[in-house]
Amino acid sequence: DTEVTQTPKHLVMGMTNKKSLKCEQHMGHRAMYWYKQKAKKPPELMFVYSYEKLSINESVPSRFSPECPNSSLLNLHLHALQPEDSALYLCASSQDRDGSGRSYEQYFGPGTRLTVT
Amino acid sequence: AQSVAQPEDQVNVAEGNPLTVKCTYSVSGNPYLFWYVQYPNRGLQFLLKYITGDNLVKGSYGFEAEFNKSQTSFHLKKPSALVSDSALYFCAVRDIAPNNNAGNMLTFGGGTRLMVKP
Repeated sequence: DTEVTQTPKHLVMGMTNKKSLKCEQHMGHRAMYWYKQKAKKPPELMFVYSYEKLSINESVPSRFSPECPNSSLLNLHLHALQPEDSALYLCASSQDRDGSGRSYEQYFGPGTRLTVT
Repeated sequence: AQSVAQPEDQVNVAEGNPLTVKCTYSVSGNPYLFWYVQYPNRGLQFLLKYITGDNLVKGSYGFEAEFNKSQTSFHLKKPSALVSDSALYFCAVRDIAPNNNAGNMLTFGGGTRLMVKP
């Protein structure tokens, strides 16, 4: 099973709302990622969790707050977003690198289409 | 920094003809290269990867890619295109994380839209 699930599929929120995006995988992967993707552009990395610890924050504004409750779940808490934050938010997971530094592919969820009004 | 470039925004090909989607890379050290496909309003799907070994890598849905070290290229190919192959294709390279405990970071190319016409 190489499935990463994301909920909700679509989300419309006002600039004063608080909402959360959820991501789940049951592949035993220990690295999980949040990406933001604008239309017809490549995904932009936001956060990386490795073994449930935040290891990379790509200078993302504090109105985005990630959380990794356990090795299978990844959340992205949203608060006071701006219209320019409207995008497709993708979650991905991968095995972490082994001792030889071998890289593993990332598996992506279907994404949450976020619209900020 | 590691980077990949996809020189074509769009590739048009007739169904049944061979297709090539181009990717060139710039890395320090050994390149770890990936191809992903994205259908409309969907996440990215992994197609194939080059880590080491044979320069011709076979992947999902009949796709293959050829690693060429002298030309620093990793072009995606398929012998006979299908209309259903029409999608957005991304080449990616493993990036160098600032620490050793940061998963497998990827840097993506700008993407190439493949249009296969009947």
